[in-house]
Amino acid sequence: DIQMTQSPSSLSAFVGDRVTITCRASQSIATYLNWYQQKPGKAPKLLIYAASSLESGFPPRFSGSGSGTDFTLTINSLQPEDFATYYCQQSYSTPALTFGGGTKVEIK
Amino acid sequence: QVQLQESGPGLVKPSETLSLTCTVSGSSVSGGYYWGWIRQPPGKGLEWIGYVFDDSVTTHYNSSLKSRVTISIDTSKKNFSLRLRSVTAADTAVYYCARLGVAGRGNWFGPWGQGTLVTVSP
Repeated sequence: DIQMTQSPSSLSAFVGDRVTITCRASQSIATYLNWYQQKPGKAPKLLIYAASSLESGFPPRFSGSGSGTDFTLTINSLQPEDFATYYCQQSYSTPALTFGGGTKVEIK
Repeated sequence: QVQLQESGPGLVKPSETLSLTCTVSGSSVSGGYYWGWIRQPPGKGLEWIGYVFDDSVTTHYNSSLKSRVTISIDTSKKNFSLRLRSVTAADTAVYYCARLGVAGRGNWFGPWGQGTLVTVSP
């Protein structure tokens, strides 16, 4: 099974900061990598698909990059509504899908 | 706009069967998508359970749950269901249903239902 490791597991940042979250796959997954945003008490929402495509409805301060085993979610100029937990998910090994452990972004 | 809504008992006894239904509105369930279930234990991360295609035959399950899980779809009723047998306290979680988009660039879940908490307790 492909394992997905996110780092850090949590971080604190100021409004306006640039935030970077990393997701590493245990083997190459090309660009079969998605990101989700989950706010407390709410369902996750698809944020980025295919490593770098921004889902409609999300602002362009969110961006995704990477291929192979290393991927990055970047939030430019963090806004109050961005404080949430972010998960990566691989679909290279479809039908088996795997989520990362999550990264909680908190207010500093 | 596609919307999904989970329904079912919030409390299940150990060794019994957890049964949930996801009702889809704003779209047919026969549109060539997969429809899936994901769960999240309290305070923990996401775990995919499985998904079903609209042909009612094609299903895929997480290997860790495969022996206990059945996911089915009723296209006439625009819903799909989850059955998880022989539950234990470790199955206590928020259960989400979601559409699984399938494309050449990968598979991703969206949209999601709001989730329903199922507690396994005597």
